[in-house]
Amino acid sequence: QKEVEQDPGPLSVPEGAIVSLNCTYSNSAFQYFMWYRQYSRKGPELLMYTYSSGNKEDGRFTAQVDKSSKYISLFIRDSQPSDSATYLCAMTSNQAGTALIFGKGTTLSVSS
Amino acid sequence: NAGVMQNPRHLVRRRGQEARLRCSPMKGHSHVYWYRQLPEEGLKFMVYLQKENIIDESGMPKERFSAEFPKEGPSILRIQQVVRGDSAAYFCASSPQGSNYGYTFGSGTRLTVV
Repeated sequence: QKEVEQDPGPLSVPEGAIVSLNCTYSNSAFQYFMWYRQYSRKGPELLMYTYSSGNKEDGRFTAQVDKSSKYISLFIRDSQPSDSATYLCAMTSNQAGTALIFGKGTTLSVSS
Repeated sequence: NAGVMQNPRHLVRRRGQEARLRCSPMKGHSHVYWYRQLPEEGLKFMVYLQKENIIDESGMPKERFSAEFPKEGPSILRIQQVVRGDSAAYFCASSPQGSNYGYTFGSGTRLTVV
């Protein structure tokens, strides 16, 4: 079993839809959870960061962590064509600069 | 305020040649991380460095790969005697201190081995 599983998609939605992106993981020691957005031929850009369980909201984006189920989600409300990108979940167990474990990424396409 | 600068953006090497990838961290950042992204794969950690010090190289292949972050100048990821399987996008990230959420990634170097 891989440490982090993420459905690669592709996921296609119309503009204005609510998008749900998910990752599951196997390592119960993970405490820090992140979502990155990566446009084609660009580096990943940090979108959301969450520590332990709970929800975090930032504009149209909401990150949820359910440690009991080892499941994290990113919701995008009112999706826009500019949201079309690959979304990567990442996580780690230690704050002091240890490696991030990434999912493979989900490719999202939002059509106008 | 420049971000993380990587060069070259694209690099083509013949099998057996050496590849040198450079990364200049953001101003004020003294910690550098290298990741590799293979086609259809996620980002994989390679190495974590501070100035003049390798902190964690658990993701580096045992042979042909090395990294440094000298007191002056950029961090260098060096791949000797490249093989086709080394073709990938190599990303550098930096942070002001040891962090697992404050990463800023560069745009990457795309290495093609022919």
